[in-house]
Amino acid sequence: QKEVEQNSGPLSVPEGAIASLNCTYSDRGSQSFFWYRQYSGKSPELIMFIYSNGDKEDGRFTAQLNKASQYVSLLIRDSQPSDSATYLCAVNPPDYKLSFGAGTTVTVRA
Amino acid sequence: DTAVSQTPKYLVTQMGNDKSIKCEQNLGHDTMYWYKQDSKKFLKIMFSYNNKELIINETVPNRFSPKSPDKAHLNLHINSLELGDSAVYFCASSPHGLAGGRLQFFGPGTRLTVL
Repeated sequence: QKEVEQNSGPLSVPEGAIASLNCTYSDRGSQSFFWYRQYSGKSPELIMFIYSNGDKEDGRFTAQLNKASQYVSLLIRDSQPSDSATYLCAVNPPDYKLSFGAGTTVTVRA
Repeated sequence: DTAVSQTPKYLVTQMGNDKSIKCEQNLGHDTMYWYKQDSKKFLKIMFSYNNKELIINETVPNRFSPKSPDKAHLNLHINSLELGDSAVYFCASSPHGLAGGRLQFFGPGTRLTVL
């Protein structure tokens, strides 16, 4: 079983809609959870991090964490064409190594 | 002004050659990392140094050797390059040392192509 799993997509949403990305992880002791955005040919860019159960909002982005279900999600509201990218979920288990999922590719249709 | 920089950006070389990739960060971070991202976009950690000390050494062929002359620099030397080494290599740094590698900031990447 992979440490961090994401649907690879592609996830296609119309402009203005909500994009919902999901991520599950295997290590129940994981403490920190991150979402990175990676445009094609570019480096990963940190957009959200969450440590506690519940929701965390930052602009159009909302991260949701449920440690009991070992599940973290990212919602992108009012999706824009500039949100088209691959979104990487990363999890920080107790051994201090950041584990990345394979990423979900999002395409926002104008 | 670049926070994490890498050189070169592109590297094309023949099988069997030895090459190096350099990384520098001007963020004052204690911890630096090397990641490999393959053609399927899977990002996997290779090494991590905290204040010049190796703290993470994943199952990587010993042809790969990191070197950290100071905490602002982490270089990656690769001996006897193989076709399977073709990938994008990212350097990253984080401000929290051993505390979970939080808030990692990535360099622009080096695309290595082995012919």
